[in-house]
Amino acid sequence: QSALTQPVSVSGSPGQSITISCTGTSSDVGAYDYVSWYQLHPGKAPRLMIYAVTDRPSGISNRFSGSKSGNTASLTITGLQPEDEADYYCSSYRNTSPLNWVFGGGTKLTVL
Amino acid sequence: EVQLVESGGGLVQPGGSLRLSCAASGFNFTPYSMNWVRQAPGKGLEWVAYIGIGSSTIYYADSVKGRFTISRDDARNSLHLQMNSLRDEDTAVYFCARDRAWAFDVWGQGTMVTVSS
Repeated sequence: QSALTQPVSVSGSPGQSITISCTGTSSDVGAYDYVSWYQLHPGKAPRLMIYAVTDRPSGISNRFSGSKSGNTASLTITGLQPEDEADYYCSSYRNTSPLNWVFGGGTKLTVL
Repeated sequence: EVQLVESGGGLVQPGGSLRLSCAASGFNFTPYSMNWVRQAPGKGLEWVAYIGIGSSTIYYADSVKGRFTISRDDARNSLHLQMNSLRDEDTAVYFCARDRAWAFDVWGQGTMVTVSS
């Protein structure tokens, strides 16, 4: 069982918007603004989409945005495109002993 | 081009050892902390180990502590993971990943480790 909880799957049609939630605890998601999101396509290197809850790395489309409220973080994708179909994982820094990073179980995004 | 390339994966029997390597190119390796992250078949991502700048700090996931050792060679722009006492549950694709603002901003394509008799 993963430390952070994500929906197993979400879907949307091209042009629509979707949101993926990521629920943790007051020791990780709720404690720090160190939530990040990753896109995984089979056989390819994972790609950082969002870091520090809301920041986008250079080269990532502004169709991707992140937010957080309490112990739940969210990734929103607007204007869905076929190439957005992938697995998405959230992650958070967790200041425990030992110090570590935790991931969600992943969400399969299907663009219908 | 900023790039990480893993190597060293393969098939190993339970109880055996394997050493993974990650070659960095396209950026100055020395001032970055680095990580290993793995993904078991059909499962999610799992953080494995972290090494700070100059090997100043090292952390491990509980699942590998005492069996795995992370190290770096800044002169050769490389990261390593020595894996001993391997178990079936260590079977996974192992990724090296660069640390940035407590996230993993650059990843390799991974190397497959299979632990099986």
